[in-house]
Amino acid sequence: EVHLLESGGGLVQPGGSLRLSCAASEFTFSNYAMNWVRQAPGKGLEWVSAITGSAGSTYYADSVKGRFTISRDNSKNTLYLQMNSLRVEDTAVYFCARASTVVAPRNLDYWGQGTLVTVSS
Amino acid sequence: QSALTQPASVSGSPGQSITISCAGTRNDVGAYNYVSWYQQHPGKAPKLMIYEVSNRPSGVPDRFSGSKSDNTASLTISGLQPEDEADYYCSSYTRRSTLVFGGGTRVTVL
Repeated sequence: EVHLLESGGGLVQPGGSLRLSCAASEFTFSNYAMNWVRQAPGKGLEWVSAITGSAGSTYYADSVKGRFTISRDNSKNTLYLQMNSLRVEDTAVYFCARASTVVAPRNLDYWGQGTLVTVSS
Repeated sequence: QSALTQPASVSGSPGQSITISCAGTRNDVGAYNYVSWYQQHPGKAPKLMIYEVSNRPSGVPDRFSGSKSDNTASLTISGLQPEDEADYYCSSYTRRSTLVFGGGTRVTVL
């Protein structure tokens, strides 16, 4: 059974930084594009970023472009999201999700349980 | 990137059929057959229910079906069950190689 486990969330001040991790298991990690999706408290889902299986291409929502960086280490089966210049509006549960393809962010077939990021002074 | 447009809420009685719409543009829903639907129960992670407009992953009941016409996709739940009460989100791949979600629809089983 595919398993995704996020970590690294917590409380951070506006302007601060945080790095999220997502440990993957029970599938060939490098064969799949991976995504980060967030959900602000009481709100809907918002796609944040994606990375292809080889890490050759990355994609970002306009709301985080230039502040967030997605990366992956296929030798460690781990996905990352480096978040800089955090804003109050970045407060959300962050999910990692597997895409069913290697090259594009679509068909998110498996999701982790999420990690909460709170940006507040 | 604007979110896809979904109704805020839809309700139905057990056994009835309901349909949730998902309106996009020619740059997302209308551009590709890469529309997905996700079910989310409170406090849980989303679950993929429909992918590529009308395909059901293994284990998803066949009372869930999807379709698309031009820039609008739809999810139909036939024979509504109490456990179908949840939030439902559509998503679409876009011409910018990004993903966009709808605002979500709360389904209530009366």
